[in-house]
Amino acid sequence: QLVESGGGLVQPGGSLKLSCAASGFSFSGSPIHWVRQAPGKGLEWVGLSRNKINRYATAYAATVSGRFRISRDESKNTAYLQMNSLQIEDTAVYYCTRPLGVVAGTDEAFDIWGPGTLVTVSS
Amino acid sequence: SYELTQPPSVSVSPGQTATISCSGSELGNKYVCWYQKKAGQSPALVIYQDDKRPSGIPERFSGSNSGNTAALTISGTQAVDEADYYCLAWDRSTLVFGGGTKLTVL
Repeated sequence: QLVESGGGLVQPGGSLKLSCAASGFSFSGSPIHWVRQAPGKGLEWVGLSRNKINRYATAYAATVSGRFRISRDESKNTAYLQMNSLQIEDTAVYYCTRPLGVVAGTDEAFDIWGPGTLVTVSS
Repeated sequence: SYELTQPPSVSVSPGQTATISCSGSELGNKYVCWYQKKAGQSPALVIYQDDKRPSGIPERFSGSNSGNTAALTISGTQAVDEADYYCLAWDRSTLVFGGGTKLTVL
């Protein structure tokens, strides 16, 4: 199970930190991804944190690179999405998700999703 | 940057076959997943590794991928299948979603 929290209203240029609490599977063994959907728009991949054996290495979409950062706290089985320099275009429902596996063909197959948390960037 | 192109909309009559395409450069050399997204719900995986169905997904969902085009096929489409569908594939170290296709069951 995955559950996001931390969404809310923030002004342009502001920051927000989302949390993704995991349970029922090996948190350290699984990559964690963030995906968002802006109102009326399609799904957009935001970024990922690889698993522990890959040192939790991160990668980001070009649209958020340099502004967003994914981190993890193993002791809390929680992943975070730190969002800085937020823009109106970042308004979206943010989902965290994990893939079926770590080998090719399963590492983009997201079988567990959180319910999502809404981030609204507005003045 | 890598792009995956889907038709914005597809319409099908109940009981008929719906096919949703996803096009990208040399897409056949990548694995493709498909997701179903209904309003107010989290996305749901319906096809992975081009043509595999996760447990719990009906047999009427199938997938293929060759050349520059992947396809999601829904046989005997039901009203419950009305949703937005998205393809997804890796581009080097990042993931790319297609723009999405709204499936209408008339």
